[in-house]
Amino acid sequence: EIVLTQSPTTMAASPGEKVTLTCRASSSVSYMHWYQQRSGASPKLWIYETSKLASGVPNRFSGSGSGTSYSLTINSMETEDAATYYCQQGSSYPLTFGSGTKLEIK
Amino acid sequence: QVTLKESGPGILQPSQTLSLTCTFSGFSLSTYGMGVGWIRQPSGKGLEWLANIWWDDDKYYNPSLKNRLTISKDTSNNQAFLKITNVDTADTATYYCARIDILSTMMVIITSFFDYWGQGVMVTVSS
Repeated sequence: EIVLTQSPTTMAASPGEKVTLTCRASSSVSYMHWYQQRSGASPKLWIYETSKLASGVPNRFSGSGSGTSYSLTINSMETEDAATYYCQQGSSYPLTFGSGTKLEIK
Repeated sequence: QVTLKESGPGILQPSQTLSLTCTFSGFSLSTYGMGVGWIRQPSGKGLEWLANIWWDDDKYYNPSLKNRLTISKDTSNNQAFLKITNVDTADTATYYCARIDILSTMMVIITSFFDYWGQGVMVTVSS
């Protein structure tokens, strides 16, 4: 099973601040996918195939990485970006999710 | 427009069998490359993948649930189902179904992810 480790677990950012969330895989994966989950809501696909933004995702978001190290970056934090972000690998079964990074607004 | 909606019993007792239904629209599980997955989330915790079913009836399960899972589909009625036997309080969670999208080449799936999610259904296991 591929274990995904996200860091940090929680963080707070000020409006306008650049934010980087990290996801490390225990074995190499071909792509990483990211989901945003706001409080009380279902997860939403946010970034897929490492760097492609899902429909409606603002272009201040970006994704990058390869092998065992991936990241999600917010170029300029906005209030609406406060949420929990999960990474997910779909390269091998069982499919696995990271434990999430809770991003709060300062 | 793709939509999915989960339904389930709400509350059940330990050792019973949990039966969940996912009713979807906007796509067909008889179309090549289509799939539906089940994911659960205990309150305040992270996401756990449970099972996938594909257009060709191929099925995959999370081995951590030790043969307690059965996934199935009714293509003509646009539904997918998940059964979990011998439930315990640890199975208390919100259960989501989601459509699977894939990246494939030469008919080999390279990666898969969940592009549309249902609203989730809360299930409580309690005596």
